Amino acid sequence: GAGVSQTPSNKVTEKGKYVELRCDPISGHTALYWYRQSLGQGPEFLIYFQGTGAADDSGLPNDRFFAVRPEGSVSTLKIQRTERGDSAVYLCASSLMTTGELFFGEGSRLTVL
Amino acid sequence: KNQVEQSPQSLIILEGKNCTLQCNYTVSPFSNLRWYKQDTGRGPVSLTIMTFSENTKSNGRYTATLDADTKQSSLHITASQLSDSASYICVVSEGGGNKLTFGTGTQLKVEL
Repeated sequence: GAGVSQTPSNKVTEKGKYVELRCDPISGHTALYWYRQSLGQGPEFLIYFQGTGAADDSGLPNDRFFAVRPEGSVSTLKIQRTERGDSAVYLCASSLMTTGELFFGEGSRLTVL
Repeated sequence: KNQVEQSPQSLIILEGKNCTLQCNYTVSPFSNLRWYKQDTGRGPVSLTIMTFSENTKSNGRYTATLDADTKQSSLHITASQLSDSASYICVVSEGGGNKLTFGTGTQLKVEL
């Protein structure tokens, strides 16, 4: 596609539920990043993929968070047993190489009630 | 701990005026520094990327400067427009380049 696509754009769920957020990066971009952004804050790093593998997952807050990118393109961020503190905008970005320009999606706004 | 601090936190200016946003960082080792514009409810959009050897870089009415010795950067916006109203985020890339540290942004509002 022309840009990074994220779905859903908005997700409201109840505490304890399971959530999946999808990111479709720009075609050909090998690097893919997930960030979390709370209101009034800058994006906070979660995980970085180079190809199919998670090259750096040091930003995942705990084991309820997991992300995959099985074919080196689309990535899914999975959150188990959601908590109210997980409410944020989850941003995905991709780049042609690790030091290159990052292109961000519009984000998925998650609200946990 | 690597940090990126931006000032001011928020700024209101009249249309047509210039403004300068500041960014100080402690990220080491340094790879590059980026400025992003983020409209409300949208993803950040890249304005400039500067490496260690670059002192200034322009993108239309946006001009970024970098002083790698003092670890400071600025973003100057010339002849502001209403559409410049957004959050401007300074991002510093460390080491090999895949680890980015984001500032909290400067919220700019341009008024008539």
